Amino acid sequence: DAKTTQPPSMDCAEGRAANLPCNHSTISGNEYVYWYRQIHSQGPQYIIHGLKNNETNEMASLIITEDRKSSTLILPHATLRDTAVYYCIVRVAVKAAGNKLTFGGGTRVLVKP
Amino acid sequence: DVKVTQSSRYLVKRTGEKVFLECVQDMDHENMFWYRQDPGLGLRLIYFSYDVKMKEKGDIPEGYSVSREKKERFSLILESASTNQTSMYLCASSLSGQGTYEQYFGPGTRLTVT
Repeated sequence: DAKTTQPPSMDCAEGRAANLPCNHSTISGNEYVYWYRQIHSQGPQYIIHGLKNNETNEMASLIITEDRKSSTLILPHATLRDTAVYYCIVRVAVKAAGNKLTFGGGTRVLVKP
Repeated sequence: DVKVTQSSRYLVKRTGEKVFLECVQDMDHENMFWYRQDPGLGLRLIYFSYDVKMKEKGDIPEGYSVSREKKERFSLILESASTNQTSMYLCASSLSGQGTYEQYFGPGTRLTVT
């Protein structure tokens, strides 16, 4: 799986959009970009994933650059409950046997009132 | 609403004890996973199972075993607990087959071995 680079931490004002960057310059053509988050003392939570096109769901939007070397997760209206560590992961879509997740350092996001 | 539950949030055991961690999912998922998470080391896969009675070793299986007698339940067993197995243990499940299936995690069990 391709390596990802994320800033270690960032602050965000409550009610504003939070833009979380991720670099994955060695991504392969068959690798997807996934985002998970982990709120303190809880299990990781899936947020969104994409291959080439931008994606949106009820939690967030994912913007992937045309060359696919980087992406941005957007939380449109951050709330205090969005305070968490956010992980960007790049992986192929394989049969789930061996389909493990590997988390790097992630970005620690603090949403402030 | 999808749900993965783990038998305990916090557990304290003594060195040498046999420890059972239970995980149950209600989504009819074929795949289930056990990870441990430690500061600075991220998430590491211990074992996974892709069907009832089927299991595969992950990256760090030593000192652990697993059991999957029913589709919805995946147990992690520490045969003889040691202090270096003090950690957060996370169970996850996912659909199977070719695809981009996300994993759903339980709340975790924080195990302390004294």
